[in-house]
Amino acid sequence: GESVGLHLPTLSVQEGDNSIINCAYSNSASDYFIWYKQESGKGPQFIIDIRSNMDKRQGQRVTVLLNKTVKHLSLQIAATQPGDSAVYFCAEGRKTSYDKVIFGPGTSLSVIP
Amino acid sequence: NAGVTQTPKFQVLKTGQSMTLQCAQDMNHNSMYWYRQDPGMGLRLIYYSASEGTTDKGEVPNGYNVSRLNKREFSLRLESAAPSQTSVYFCASRDRAAYNEQFFGPGTRLTVL
Repeated sequence: GESVGLHLPTLSVQEGDNSIINCAYSNSASDYFIWYKQESGKGPQFIIDIRSNMDKRQGQRVTVLLNKTVKHLSLQIAATQPGDSAVYFCAEGRKTSYDKVIFGPGTSLSVIP
Repeated sequence: NAGVTQTPKFQVLKTGQSMTLQCAQDMNHNSMYWYRQDPGMGLRLIYYSASEGTTDKGEVPNGYNVSRLNKREFSLRLESAAPSQTSVYFCASRDRAAYNEQFFGPGTRLTVL
């Protein structure tokens, strides 16, 4: 069946370093992918998305890379800050049922001051 | 704007009891969603509503019912609560024009004894 999953459940990085969070997906029919950030005790918050016809998209301090050949998605956070500590989820959606989004299990990012 | 609001924030039920989780959004969004989040797992879609008057099952609909009361409100009902329904429940909404971004509420932490 379809699935969206993450390679690493936890990640610790030094403040100021760059962080890379990875995500694997199995459904090649996915039309877009989304990254969400969830801080402790809060609901998820949208970070950035990318359409399947793109390889890269940049936002403020974040870059998402999509490799359709190996069905891999990554979120890069530049100059990681303590406020970046959170759980990060990737999610996928399809235009044919674009109101449904399937989330992966999440990666916990811990920033060491 | 309050965004997406959920009530209650916390609830403890006994097995077999019923309850309704309330969700409202003031962003004039067409689409609304209910997710559950279990420890160490991502969000799983229970039900969604693409527009007022329509609802559809998600990944894990068994044991739940929903009502899209109007454009603002989308409620989730547990008719006979079971310990397996102990979870954190999130409501979300989306403006189709924004395509991908979902806005999440703060969550309801439900414990079924």
